[in-house]
Parts: sequence; structure tokens; C-alpha cells
Amino acid sequence: DTAVSQTPKYLVTQMGNDKSIKCEQNLGHDTMYWYKQDSKKFLKIMFSYNNKELIINETVPNRFSPKSPDKAHLNLHINSLELGDSAVYFCASSGTRTGESPLHFGNGTRLTVT
Amino acid sequence: AQSVTQLGSHVSVSEGALVLLRCNYSSSVPPYLFWYVQYPNQGLQLLLKYTTGATLVKGINGFEAEFKKSETSFHLTKPSAHMSDAAEYFCAVSEVKAAGNKLTFGGGTRVLVKP
Repeated sequence: DTAVSQTPKYLVTQMGNDKSIKCEQNLGHDTMYWYKQDSKKFLKIMFSYNNKELIINETVPNRFSPKSPDKAHLNLHINSLELGDSAVYFCASSGTRTGESPLHFGNGTRLTVT
Repeated sequence: AQSVTQLGSHVSVSEGALVLLRCNYSSSVPPYLFWYVQYPNQGLQLLLKYTTGATLVKGINGFEAEFKKSETSFHLTKPSAHMSDAAEYFCAVSEVKAAGNKLTFGGGTRVLVKP
């Protein structure tokens, strides 16, 4: 039974389109995240939600809009896609918002913008 | 801001040999430190973590890491490499802001295991 699941696994789209990535966790965690991994494998946090409340927003363009309908779900909507948005996007969750709580990652969504 | 440096983007080891992956961090407060492993086309999986207490921490798959405050290091080792250890390894430090936890990753080290 998958702990953190993301859909779709692959997403290929053209510049200017709008797309969404969905994420669900069944771990009962309070905190969820979106991370971006670029082509050089560098990982950087984008957003963090705690109990549906946005708590971290790391200077991400406002074309990216996270939405958390409940604490088990954190979706990512991207408007007006650009070539530079091509990356692997990882959803993650943690039991608490404190530093010692490790993150549990989904398997990622590979977004390719052409 | 905290930062993490992993020395060596690629490491090649022979099966059965020692695996040593280096990680140095900068932090103005006592850090929480993590090692994650990423297999191809998969998400990151926690190998081990240091929060407080014993500075030598053991993780899954025979890996261990030692927190050395004086050297600001958290190097990862495994005595004997196995073919299944071929993967990308990430060191990370936790930065706890008033708002919440932000994990800062190093650039990763790809491990190749030769038969």
C-alpha cells in the first residue's frame, strides 16, 4: 500500500498549457511538501503545508499554485507552462513540522515541457 | 541559511569494498542531519538520521554515518558494497524556521558498483 502517491508519473505538454499534479498520503501525516528536482538532480523545496495551511513558499513563481483540500492531499497546479519548468516534482510528507521528522517521498512526476 | 556540500558527484567502488560518501554542512544551530537514497525513477528513501544523542547512527542496508560537530561533517559509510547499492545518495540538513521544517539537500553523489 503506497504511502505517498503522485499522479501522473509522466506528464508531457506544450508551452503555455496548464497542468496539475496530484498527491495523496495515507500515513496520517500533518505536513506535506512539494520539491523540485532539476536535470542535475538538485532538489529544492517549493512549498510546505501543515494541516491545509501554507507555511513555506520558497520564491516560486506565482504560476505555481498549491492546493490542499485536506491534510492528506496536496495538489500542484501550474499555469502557462515554460520550458524551464521541465523537471521531476516530488511530493513528500512528514509526521510533524519540526526538524527531526524525516520526509516520506512519492515516486515523482516527470514533467516535460516542449 | 544552512547549506550542504557533498564531495564528489560520482563515486565508483568495487563490490565488497568500502563505500565512503562525504557530507559537510553549515549551520548556526545544532542540526538535524539525514541521508537519503534515490534509485532510478524512484523517490527518495530515508537511510538514516541524526537528531540528538549517539553520534554514530546506523541505518538500513548496512549503512551508518557519524556526526562530527567539530568537523561539521556527517559522512556515510558501508563496509562492503553490494551491487544493489548503486544509486544516488543525498545528504540533507533540516532548517527549522518559525513556520516549519525546510530540508536543504546536497548536490547528491552517484554510486557505481563494479563487479
